[in-house]
Amino acid sequence: DGGITQSPKYLFRKEGQNVTLSCEQNLNHDAMYWYRQDPGQGLRLIYYSQIVNDFQKGDIAEGYSVSREKKESFPLTVTSAQKNPTAFYLCASSFRVKDEQFFGPGTRLTVL
Amino acid sequence: AQRVTQPEKLLSVFKGAPVELKCNYSYSGSPELFWYVQYSRQRLQLLLRHISRESIKGFTADLNKGETSFHLKKPFAQEEDSAMYYCALPILDTGRRALTFGSGTRLQVQP
Repeated sequence: DGGITQSPKYLFRKEGQNVTLSCEQNLNHDAMYWYRQDPGQGLRLIYYSQIVNDFQKGDIAEGYSVSREKKESFPLTVTSAQKNPTAFYLCASSFRVKDEQFFGPGTRLTVL
Repeated sequence: AQRVTQPEKLLSVFKGAPVELKCNYSYSGSPELFWYVQYSRQRLQLLLRHISRESIKGFTADLNKGETSFHLKKPFAQEEDSAMYYCALPILDTGRRALTFGSGTRLQVQP
């Protein structure tokens, strides 16, 4: 199960705190993605990056921020501005947008 | 606007029955559609893509441009097919170049 990893598996945060979720891949993929998975709503795109030093907002970017300083890494920060941050977060990568996406195991974030 | 629609949240069938998971899309370009699957306690993974026209684990999906559909089918369901299934479409227009996923359908295959 190598290739794309996420950490931590579980994360707890107090209201008002920012928290950063890690996503690393060693597949030499150019594109990386962050999704939020909620029951009954499927996967919703938060941010994506087609190449290093570039990223674009997805459908639900408000309250989130990302960076893409290295090809292998695409961390997601959940800020205190995100009104409902408790969710399961999935990171994915692919060679190009049209190609198969490989998913990480996910991080479950709970805001206390 | 929703680009990919999976109208059923839950589909329950008995083992050996045929399965059809529905997916409809709205996209003006030439679509390249995918089906992803998430088994219990496993990662989301690609099941099949229409461009390869292959059958994976007995599943097939045909792109119907007239009906803008990409339904996933299997003639005889197995218990191990129980999972969450997502249809996905790459949106490659101005301002967006990423996959859009449907809301998913949970398939329950009962013994």
